[in-house]
Amino acid sequence: EAQVTQNPRYLITVTGKKLTVTCSQNMNHEYMSWYRQDPGLGLRQIYYSMNVEVTDKGDVPEGYKVSRKEKRNFPLILESPSPNQTSLYFCASSFLAGDLIRDTQYFGPGTRLTVL
Amino acid sequence: AQTVTQSQPEMSVQEAETVTLSCTYDTSESDYYLFWYKQPPSRQMILVIRQEAYKQQNATENRFSVNFQKAAKSFSLKISDSQLGDAAMYFCAYWRHTDKLIFGTGTRLQVFP
Repeated sequence: EAQVTQNPRYLITVTGKKLTVTCSQNMNHEYMSWYRQDPGLGLRQIYYSMNVEVTDKGDVPEGYKVSRKEKRNFPLILESPSPNQTSLYFCASSFLAGDLIRDTQYFGPGTRLTVL
Repeated sequence: AQTVTQSQPEMSVQEAETVTLSCTYDTSESDYYLFWYKQPPSRQMILVIRQEAYKQQNATENRFSVNFQKAAKSFSLKISDSQLGDAAMYFCAYWRHTDKLIFGTGTRLQVFP
């Protein structure tokens, strides 16, 4: 089954304790991206990657790191989480084929992160 | 910079009736994609319908259709024969190839029996 998976789905942590949220897709997509969703703000892009070893900042990259060592994986790293990073996080992926069907982004199930 | 605006924070509709959710966007580009995503209480982001900017024909998917007005930069979603399962947050989104997906702030749709 074609899917984007994220782990963990729920995480409660404390300020300053490094954490990683994993994202994996099995569709051989070039493009992968992380978003955070906050009430009243919609989804905002954190980082994105157009291929292995190619990453770029989105709208709200401060406090986050990513890596793309393999095509299928795109982990989100919070080196020193703070309470303002409490949010719902989504990973998404797509092809970069230049056509609407293949370039449609598909989303993981989300990770609810609470930083105390 | 591109922006997406959903001016209706909340909408409600009676079951079996029709409702239209509004979306406007701002861009100087001519070639881009537009999407509507649904987010039910499960929080999953589910694609509802998509449209290529260079196609004048409005996209339809069963009970869902769009009214795409490129000159007016408007991309509204019409839900016909509304069902209880349509209750969700709906997000309008804009994407230009290899750029970022830009979302509106969402419209919460309630469906009453």
